Amino acid sequence: DTEVTQTPKHLVMGMTNKKSLKCEQHMGHRAMYWYKQKAKKPPELMFVYSYEKLSINESVPSRFSPECPNSSLLNLHLHALQPEDSALYLCASSQVWGIGYNSPLHFGNGTRLTVT
Amino acid sequence: DQQVKQNSPSLSVQEGRISILNCDYTNSMFDYFLWYKKYPAEGPTFLISISSIKDKNEDGRFTVFLNKSAKHLSLHIVPSQPGDSAVYFCAARDSGSARQLTFGSGTQLTVLP
Repeated sequence: DTEVTQTPKHLVMGMTNKKSLKCEQHMGHRAMYWYKQKAKKPPELMFVYSYEKLSINESVPSRFSPECPNSSLLNLHLHALQPEDSALYLCASSQVWGIGYNSPLHFGNGTRLTVT
Repeated sequence: DQQVKQNSPSLSVQEGRISILNCDYTNSMFDYFLWYKKYPAEGPTFLISISSIKDKNEDGRFTVFLNKSAKHLSLHIVPSQPGDSAVYFCAARDSGSARQLTFGSGTQLTVLP
C-alpha cells in the first residue's frame, strides 16, 4: 500500500467544469509535489511545495491551481481544462525538498484525468 | 533534449534469468541516480539508488551499476520473477539543482513464466 493517498482514482470532466484533485501523506514529509504523466512518457514536474510554501511552478498554465492547506495535504484545483490535459496526475512527497539518500520521492497511485 | 535516456522501450526475460535495464545520461552534473518501478494504475515506487561516488549498490535481488566515464548506469535483477514485470524508470539528480529529478522514458520489463 502506498503511503501517499490520492483521490479520486479516476476523474472525467468537461472543459467548463471545476474539479479538485486531493493528496494526503502522513509520513511527516515537508515537501510535496505534483507531477503529470502522459502515456509512455516520464513524469513531468508541475509544482513543488516546501514547508507549505510554493517553491517551484514549472510554467504550468493558470487553469491548474495548487494549494497546500497544511503539511499533510496537497490539492490541485482544475478549471477550464483542455482535452490535451488528459493524463495521470501524480502526487509525491519527500522528507525535505532535496532529493537524496534520506529523501527519495514517494509517489501516490495517481488520478487518471480525462477531459472531454 | 533528453538528458536521461532509456533506449530500450521494452525487454522480455525468462523467469529465473537476469534482467538488465540500461540508462544513459548526458549531464555531467548528475550526482545521484534512482530507479523506480511502476505497475499499471499505480504510482512509481522507489527501488534503489546510487551516488556518483560509488560504482555499485546492491539490495537483495537488485543491483545498480554506475559507469561515470561512460555516463551509463544499469539495473540488474537476479533472479527475475513474474512479479517484476513493470515499467522501470531511471532518474537522475543534478548536483546544481538537487531539488529536482530528471526521469528517463521508461523500459517495460516482462518476465515470462
